[in-house]
Amino acid sequence: EVQLVESGGGLVQPGGSLKVSCAASGFTFSSYSMNWVRQAPGKGLEWVSYISSTSSTTYYADSVKGRFTISRDNAKNSLYLQMNSLRAGDTAVYYCARDGNSYFEYWGHGTLVTVSS
Amino acid sequence: QSVLTQPPSVSAAPGQKVTISCSGGSSNIGNNYVSWYQQLPGTAPKLLISENNKRPSGIPDRFSGSKSGTSATLGITGLQTGDEADYYCGTWDNSLSGRVFGGGTKLTVL
Repeated sequence: EVQLVESGGGLVQPGGSLKVSCAASGFTFSSYSMNWVRQAPGKGLEWVSYISSTSSTTYYADSVKGRFTISRDNAKNSLYLQMNSLRAGDTAVYYCARDGNSYFEYWGHGTLVTVSS
Repeated sequence: QSVLTQPPSVSAAPGQKVTISCSGGSSNIGNNYVSWYQQLPGTAPKLLISENNKRPSGIPDRFSGSKSGTSATLGITGLQTGDEADYYCGTWDNSLSGRVFGGGTKLTVL
């Protein structure tokens, strides 16, 4: 059974940094591209970032480019999102999602990041 | 303002059929596959339809997807109260070099 479990969310001050993680199991993690998708409270879904299976290719939404960095450790079956220069508008539930080449095939339960003073 | 346009809400009675539209442009829907996601209240999104019209294992055939030009449609027949959820369309946008979603449609089963 495919499982994606996010962790690392919490309260951070504006301008601060936070790193969220996603632990994958139930599939060969190193064979799949991965994504981060976020959802602000009461709002819709927003794709954040993509990383290929070998980390050779990454993409970012314009809203986070230059501030967020996606990475992965295939030996640890883990996906990460380093978030710097956080703003109130980054407050959201952050989901990791396995890539299906043109769709998000499996989703984790999400981790809440709150940016507030 | 989402790149893809969905109606904010739709409603229908149990047992009836409903369609949810998703409108885009040539840089997204017009040249890429569309997928659909169901988000039940308080839960994570779940894949409903991939590659315009493919249902993953375990998704009932009451759910269907189609695409024509720069628009896509999700159809749900035999509505059940358990179908009440937010529904999102998604695709790749060539101009943005990234994935995009519609703003979401809240389905109410009256």
